[in-house]
Amino acid sequence: DQQVKQNSPSLSVQEGRISILNCDYTNSMFDYFLWYKKYPAEGPTFLISISSIKDKNEDGRFTVFLNKSAKHLSLHIVPSQPGDSAVYFCAASSTGTYKYIFGTGTRLKVLA
Amino acid sequence: DVKVTQSSRYLVKRTGEKVFLECVQDMDHENMFWYRQDPGLGLRLIYFSYDVKMKEKGDIPEGYSVSREKKERFSLILESASTNQTSMYLCASRDSFGGAEAFFGQGTRLTVV
Repeated sequence: DQQVKQNSPSLSVQEGRISILNCDYTNSMFDYFLWYKKYPAEGPTFLISISSIKDKNEDGRFTVFLNKSAKHLSLHIVPSQPGDSAVYFCAASSTGTYKYIFGTGTRLKVLA
Repeated sequence: DVKVTQSSRYLVKRTGEKVFLECVQDMDHENMFWYRQDPGLGLRLIYFSYDVKMKEKGDIPEGYSVSREKKERFSLILESASTNQTSMYLCASRDSFGGAEAFFGQGTRLTVV
């Protein structure tokens, strides 16, 4: 059973426009969420996180929104740049556990 | 700068071989993880360790074992490699139970022929 779902395997966006990547989760015990970015043949790198006590967290061009009632989070990238082209994974964790559960990833392509 | 280092970037092994994937972290983290990444399946947890000599199975432990004799080192062992274990293997470490990001190594692309 997939507890963290990224239903869009891929997304293409024009340079300068907004990219919106979505993630849904089923486990109401999750209280910490992260986004990772992965280039081919490299390990994932941490992008941004959000705790369940917040509904928004912003870091430069990246903003994560959390809707707890809908069990949904999204990553907004504004403006999108060609260097943002990568696979993005969302991940979730709950207090007292050691591990993160990852989604299946969304491949973002930013077109110049 | 934090660092998680995996011993090999690329590895080719034969079916039936015993394979060792090594991972070292320099951040004094208690928690270490092994994931595999496959297209369309995302990152799936194989095993994790929350302390020296302690380990727990993840979601897909079959065909794998792990060893953590020292805090900084976490090894993944493929007891008898099979072609369906061809994958990208990712090691990660993390400091505390919650509110902490995991740091990943660069990955090992393993091909079993």
